[in-house]
This record gives sequence, structure tokens and C-alpha cells, in this order.
Amino acid sequence: QKEVEQNSGPLSVPEGAIASLNCTYSDRGSQSFFWYRQYSGKSPELIMSIYSNGDKEDGRFTAQLNKASQYVSLLIRDSQPSDSATYLCAVDLGNNRLAFGKGNQVVVIP
Amino acid sequence: GAGVSQSPSNKVTEKGKDVELRCDPISGHTALYWYRQSLGQGLEFLIYFQGNSAPDKSGLPSDRFSAERTGGSVSTLTIQRTQQEDSAVYLCASSLVRHSGANVLTFGAGSRLTVL
Repeated sequence: QKEVEQNSGPLSVPEGAIASLNCTYSDRGSQSFFWYRQYSGKSPELIMSIYSNGDKEDGRFTAQLNKASQYVSLLIRDSQPSDSATYLCAVDLGNNRLAFGKGNQVVVIP
Repeated sequence: GAGVSQSPSNKVTEKGKDVELRCDPISGHTALYWYRQSLGQGLEFLIYFQGNSAPDKSGLPSDRFSAERTGGSVSTLTIQRTQQEDSAVYLCASSLVRHSGANVLTFGAGSRLTVL
């Protein structure tokens, strides 16, 4: 099993809708989780971090963490064309190494 | 500096040649990472430096890959006898290591390597 898995294919959402992305991880000891956004041809940039079970909201973004089920998700409300990007889930393996998923491409259709 | 600086931004080389990629991290950041991203793929961990500790080299794909970090700042990733499968974007990131919290990485713009 890979350390971090993002299995969904490209996600197309109409402008104004909610985009939902999921990620699962294998290391039960992981304590820190991140979502990075990567625009085409650019480097990843941090948009959310979450460390405790439950929801964390920041503007139009909400991260959700369930350590018992080993998944973390990202919701993007009121999706905008500028949200079109690849979203990378990252998990801190506890040795200061971040493991990344392959990413989910989001396309917001005007 | 204000951000993580990488050079060159693009490198085209012939198979079998050696290449060096440079990373200048954010001033004061003690941790430095190298990742590789192939087309349509996620980030593959290569190597991690933290202060004066021995680097974590567990992600280096072969002995053709090596990296050093001089003076706790600038790092150079060297790929010897390049192969076509080495073609990728090589991303450097740095961070402040927090003992009580998480390790937030800031990435450079990357060095795109093309091996012909």
C-alpha cells in the first residue's frame, strides 16, 4: 500500500459548486496533514494544514481529518475558475519527511 | 532570501552527461528537501537535510544521485551519467523544523531536467 493515496481522476465542477477531494494514508502514527495546490507548470503551495480530528475551515476551504479511518479530505466551496489546479495531499511521516499523493486535478467550469 | 531559489530553471542534457542542480533555501530554514516530479505524477522524496545531522538519503533512486549541503545553506543535487528516465522537475523545499508542531515546506520553482 502506498503511503498516501489519492485515487480519484480529474474532477470537473461547475462554478459555484462544491469540490470534494479525498486522501487516505497508511501510517497510523502520522499526526500532521497538508493540502498543497499546484497550478500547471508551477510549484506546490500550501493551502491547508490539519492536525486534529474534525474540520478546519479557512475561507472557502475546509479540511477534514479522521485518524481512526486514516483519511483526510478537502472541500472547496463556491468553486471559482481560479481554483482549477492539481491538489496534493501530504502526510508527515513523523521523521520530518512529507509523503505526497499523486494529486487530484480540479477543473472549475465557468 | 525571500523565497527558495533554484537554478537552472531548465536544463537539457545528453544521456550519459553529469548535471548539477542548485538550491538556495529561505534564510534561517534549517531543513532542506529535494523531491522529483515526473509528468503527471506526485512528488517523489529524494533526500532531506536537517542542520548538522546526517542526511536522510532513503529516497535517492540510485547511486548516480548524490546531494550535499554546504554550510547548512545552499544544496547541490548531482546526477551522474544521466538517463532518459531522469527527466523530471526537481523541486527543492525548505522549512523551519518545529519541535512542537508540523513541518511546513516552502517550495522553489523547480529545475526542469530533460535528458535526450
